[in-house]
Amino acid sequence: GESVGLHLPTLSVQEGDNSIINCAYSNSASDYFIWYKQESGKGPQFIIDIRSNMDKRQGQRVTVLLNKTVKHLSLQIAATQPGDSAVYFCAENMDTGRRALTFGSGTRLQVQP
Amino acid sequence: EAGVAQSPRYKIIEKRQSVAFWCNPISGHATLYWYQQILGQGPKLLIQFQNNGVVDDSQLPKDRFSAERLKGVDSTLKIQPAKLEDSAVYLCASSSPDGAKNIQYFGAGTRLSVL
Repeated sequence: GESVGLHLPTLSVQEGDNSIINCAYSNSASDYFIWYKQESGKGPQFIIDIRSNMDKRQGQRVTVLLNKTVKHLSLQIAATQPGDSAVYFCAENMDTGRRALTFGSGTRLQVQP
Repeated sequence: EAGVAQSPRYKIIEKRQSVAFWCNPISGHATLYWYQQILGQGPKLLIQFQNNGVVDDSQLPKDRFSAERLKGVDSTLKIQPAKLEDSAVYLCASSSPDGAKNIQYFGAGTRLSVL
């Protein structure tokens, strides 16, 4: 299928390594953040979220870190697998998620076998 | 639980023609969104509905785009007349606020090519 993002920054990792994807968000009033994964030809898929009153949240193989001081989010993926290859977007929201999402520019993750 | 359904998956039209997209949200989700995703970019909001009312349409090009959600469930997005720059993927998302968070779930999108 056609690529989601042809000119996105790309992170290339070896299978089994840990991946870290970074995102700078724009609005200091944002209070809710979500990471989405988008595979070619598909819609964005929810991975993990975090509220602004937290600085870290863990899921299955994924961890999100939030640094409100510098308006920075990161997504850590442990033991990266070929199925993790996709474009990853961070999204910010205000009013505890009752508004529409503002998406950041994505990062393409390529997992080398 | 069924996800967000969108149709058609692909559409090719010539400029100045009209086109319509359909979305069926997750059952029970009161909030529905239409986003436009241009190749290489993140999705951008076009319009947000709460039940059958419009919450935010500030980024909808109203001279050519229209959307409705008459019964508070399904929604249609229309473009008339289409321009070349409307070529994009049109994504529908739905959500149901749960306390302090509001996860939006996306459909697969409709890929529009305007020639």
